[in-house]
Amino acid sequence: DGGITQSPKYLFRKEGQNVTLSCEQNLNHDAMYWYRQDPGQGLRLIYYSQIVNDFQKGDIAEGYSVSREKKESFPLTVTSAQKNPTAFYLCASSIRDYAEAFFGQGTRLTVV
Amino acid sequence: GQQVMQIPQYQHVQEGEDFTTYCNSSTTLSNIQWYKQRPGGHPVFLIQLVKSGEVKKQKRLTFQFGEAKKNSSLHITATQTTDVGTYFCAAAQGGSEKLVFGKGMKLTVNP
Repeated sequence: DGGITQSPKYLFRKEGQNVTLSCEQNLNHDAMYWYRQDPGQGLRLIYYSQIVNDFQKGDIAEGYSVSREKKESFPLTVTSAQKNPTAFYLCASSIRDYAEAFFGQGTRLTVV
Repeated sequence: GQQVMQIPQYQHVQEGEDFTTYCNSSTTLSNIQWYKQRPGGHPVFLIQLVKSGEVKKQKRLTFQFGEAKKNSSLHITATQTTDVGTYFCAAAQGGSEKLVFGKGMKLTVNP
């Protein structure tokens, strides 16, 4: 089945630790996105990538890093510099400019 | 940067009622998309509008793109409990693939 997969579904992190969220798609999409969702805040764009080895900051990139070494993969690292990392993280992909976005199931990150 | 504003942020209706929610932008949009997120789920694409004044229907849902391509509306007829969730509008910033979402409109339905 084609789709976009995020793992893990739930993640717990101690303060001061970096953690990497996985996002893989087999839809052959060029564009990939990472969003953060907090209650009442909607979806806020963290990073996005249009092609391999290229990515751009979104509106809330501070404290996060990404890589795009393969077309299928767009992992997000939440660093210790992110002051309030507890949130629901959503990865998405789309085939081209202005096309519909397909979302993964999301990763719920909790800092303990 | 470009923003899309959704109103209202919350909507509570009685089952069977009609209602409309809106998405507004200060800039002209090339297109607009609508998504639905069920409680505990992830956003799912509903529709994309591209042309000025375009109207599209999906069963009880009617989507419209404004003549100036700066606003859009979603009208739901005879609301059902299955309509519960958060509805987002989204638009791509011109010249890039930066897909920006509104804050969403959370719908609850009283059976």
